[in-house]
Amino acid sequence: AQSVTQLGSHVSVSEGALVLLRCNYSSSVPPYLFWYVQYPNQGLQLLLKYTSAATLVKGINGFEAEFKKSETSFHLTKPSAHMSDAAEYFCAVSDKSDKIIFGKGTRLHILP
Amino acid sequence: DAEITQSPRHKITETGRQVTLACHQTWNHNNMFWYRQDLGHGLRLIHYSYGVQDTNKGEVSDGYSVSRSNTEDLPLTLESAASSQTSVYFCASTLDRGDTEAFFGQGTRLTVV
Repeated sequence: AQSVTQLGSHVSVSEGALVLLRCNYSSSVPPYLFWYVQYPNQGLQLLLKYTSAATLVKGINGFEAEFKKSETSFHLTKPSAHMSDAAEYFCAVSDKSDKIIFGKGTRLHILP
Repeated sequence: DAEITQSPRHKITETGRQVTLACHQTWNHNNMFWYRQDLGHGLRLIHYSYGVQDTNKGEVSDGYSVSRSNTEDLPLTLESAASSQTSVYFCASTLDRGDTEAFFGQGTRLTVV
């Protein structure tokens, strides 16, 4: 069975600082990995996805994530946080024949 | 533009009543999913469908049912609403399994009193 663990339910960073949101996965087969973002009172939207083409994946709004098989990790980063990045972020895992499983989410707070 | 819509957006119901939440997508996607979102639990899968007449249980399916009579709709029914089912419910769809993006509705906030 697949699963994801997001470390830290809340993360606070100063505006302009590095954003790092951690995600570790468990999968018995090569996984597909996703990061989704949820703004207040909205549904989720895709930030980026890993599908084995390249280990460093670039997404929207300046975010990127690196797939590290040896560490079973897919951490999300952004070099410089902006106030508009305040939201909840979900890591998710899937495989070829299965549904998408989400982590518990990390709420990102941006400090002025 | 294609979209996925949920209705109602907000609902208050009484314990013991049957409630149906609607989900309609115009993406022509094969796969549809229902999740509930609760503080501290993230999104948990309730039921899902890979096509017409196909339904499957997710990790928190007790007290819920779905039916898939066409490609566009996957209504979620709470047979006898309980206070523990107070939550925000999201419907999602994907074209295929595996590496394809999930498209989400705006959510339905259900309160059971």
